[in-house]
Amino acid sequence: QSALTQPASVSGSPGQSITISCTGTSSDVGGYNYVSWYQQHPGKAPKVMIYDVSNRPSGVSNRFSGSKSGNTASLTISGLQAEDEADYYCSSYASSSTLYVFGTGTKVTVL
Amino acid sequence: EVQLVESGGGLVKPGGSLRLSCAASGFTFSSYTMNWVRQAPGKGLEWVSSISSSSRYIYYVDSVKGRFTISRDNAKNSLYLQMNSLRAEDTAVYFCARRRDGYHWNDYWGQGTLVTVSS
Repeated sequence: QSALTQPASVSGSPGQSITISCTGTSSDVGGYNYVSWYQQHPGKAPKVMIYDVSNRPSGVSNRFSGSKSGNTASLTISGLQAEDEADYYCSSYASSSTLYVFGTGTKVTVL
Repeated sequence: EVQLVESGGGLVKPGGSLRLSCAASGFTFSSYTMNWVRQAPGKGLEWVSSISSSSRYIYYVDSVKGRFTISRDNAKNSLYLQMNSLRAEDTAVYFCARRRDGYHWNDYWGQGTLVTVSS
């Protein structure tokens, strides 16, 4: 089971919107509505931002939203803020011996 | 407050063994599936293993099958990862993470413990 494909980096100015893609296969992203997104600041533990494709956990800003089309999921951050600068990883349940697969990770830079 | 605290990491020679622990507090440990996720230096996240609340269901990534064993002690609110036949490619920060049974996302993570496999 290969890692899900994400762009290595995405950048935007404060206040702008950015979108991070996460491409998998019909055996993971495309086959289940179990995509989650994690934010990780340097040296810190990951934090869930989106679960089950488009749901936000309590306490997560509504500037974060998720969607999916076919084998590609997306995370959109609107109204970009300096504190959003971090690494972001998607994850999906997978119908294989590898129960869960993560994305390659995207570094978000706020210009 | 939910807390997950990993311990047991360190430097080990290739072929050696190490046992990681994750001490849980602030929630009903026996009601949650627990997971180990690792991150090699400068690399992305990789799911390693999961164990259901009752230990009935256990899963591993292919690369650690036959070498790693996940277990838990609900009476001690603790999760473990016994790692044998360690390889250089097992070098990583190992995080424990909590997930509700039947759910597919981790809502709390520990801060991680570093395992370095090197001669």
